[in-house]
Amino acid sequence: AQKITQTQPGMFVQEKEAVTLDCTYDTSDPSYGLFWYKQPSSGEMIFLIYQGSYDQQNATEGRYSLNFQKARKSANLVISASQLGDSAMYFCAMREGSRSNYQLIWGAGTKLIIKP
Amino acid sequence: DGGITQSPKYLFRKEGQNVTLSCEQNLNHDAMYWYRQDPGQGLRLIYYSQIVNDFQKGDIAEGYSVSREKKESFPLTVTSAQKNPTAFYLCASSGWETGGRSASTDTQYFGPGTRLTVL
Repeated sequence: AQKITQTQPGMFVQEKEAVTLDCTYDTSDPSYGLFWYKQPSSGEMIFLIYQGSYDQQNATEGRYSLNFQKARKSANLVISASQLGDSAMYFCAMREGSRSNYQLIWGAGTKLIIKP
Repeated sequence: DGGITQSPKYLFRKEGQNVTLSCEQNLNHDAMYWYRQDPGQGLRLIYYSQIVNDFQKGDIAEGYSVSREKKESFPLTVTSAQKNPTAFYLCASSGWETGGRSASTDTQYFGPGTRLTVL
């Protein structure tokens, strides 16, 4: 079974609109962490935002926010006021268990294209 | 300025050759990782190391080898036993760091990657 599912292989969004990228996860461990990364065409993976399973509030980082719905096991990335430079692949990843577990489980990614 | 460097950016290998990909970090991170990415796909873990002189196999370790003799360095050797090595290779590190950039100690930061092509 897929542990991290990103159901949108690709998305087209008009510049300046808000974007929601979907991520659902599957774990029975009460302690876990969720990450979002951006991969532009250059290839480097850029860390965007992190949400811990015990965090009471949704994470925010500038134009990025994480819509964390624990009961639904979803951790959607929201990008407000999209820009042309947001065009990239976006990956959701999960760390299961305690922070001594160093491995991340990765989703297949969503390709986001911002239209001018 | 702290970061992770990988070299070379592009690498071409003839069949039957071993090649070594370099990964260096000056973030003072304890953990380092190697991932493989095939076109249009996500990342798959090859090897990771939590401390110096120790490393563990990831999901696709066959045909690869690593060493961790220094905290800042984690080179990856792609051996001739790797059947289909053409891919994009990403190195990452995580841990406590000076400057406190990360939101958590398990946030992985990545280098720019190496594109390996077998001729």
